[in-house]
Amino acid sequence: DTAVSQTPKYLVTQMGNDKSIKCEQNLGHDTMYWYKQDSKKFLKIMFSYNNKELIINETVPNRFSPKSPDKAHLNLHINSLELGDSAVYFCASSQTEKAFFGQGTRLTVV
Amino acid sequence: GENVEQHPSTLSVQEGDSAVIKCTYSDSASNYFPWYKQELGKRPQLIIDIRSNVGEKKDQRIAVTLNKTAKHFSLHITETQPEDSAVYFCAASLTGTASKLTFGTGTRLQVTL
Repeated sequence: DTAVSQTPKYLVTQMGNDKSIKCEQNLGHDTMYWYKQDSKKFLKIMFSYNNKELIINETVPNRFSPKSPDKAHLNLHINSLELGDSAVYFCASSQTEKAFFGQGTRLTVV
Repeated sequence: GENVEQHPSTLSVQEGDSAVIKCTYSDSASNYFPWYKQELGKRPQLIIDIRSNVGEKKDQRIAVTLNKTAKHFSLHITETQPEDSAVYFCAASLTGTASKLTFGTGTRLQVTL
């Protein structure tokens, strides 16, 4: 069974569109995250949720809105997509030290 | 906030040689330092970690050392194999957990035959 799964794996969309990426973890972890990995491979945290509550919100544009319906799910909705949003987005979860990452969603904005 | 620098950005070694990747961090309160390996097109995966109360930790061919005074830590891979080829990321945490990891910029390791 996949521990952290996110869908879709690939997403190609036009500028200005709104899109969502879904993430689910079956590890029973309390904390979930969204990371962005740009073309230079830099990994940067965007959001962190603990038990459905937002605990970290790095300097991310308001167009990005995470939603956690329950502690096993953390979805990412992006409004008005821009070219600069093109990246790989990783969902992750952790209980204490070890973070488990999803397989990533490659978002391409054209 | 925390800032983590990582060197080198690329590293090429011959199979069987050792590889060393170094990281420095800015906040002396950081107390947890994991290393992640990311193979091409795959997800980052934890390979080893160290806490600030430990100077060295080893797991088979990989080891991590920490110098708190100098605020730097290093990953050592001995007897490198082609399957070690990947991008390696160091990270630092102020919370002792994965709850807020600041990642280094990554090192692309290439192990040649």
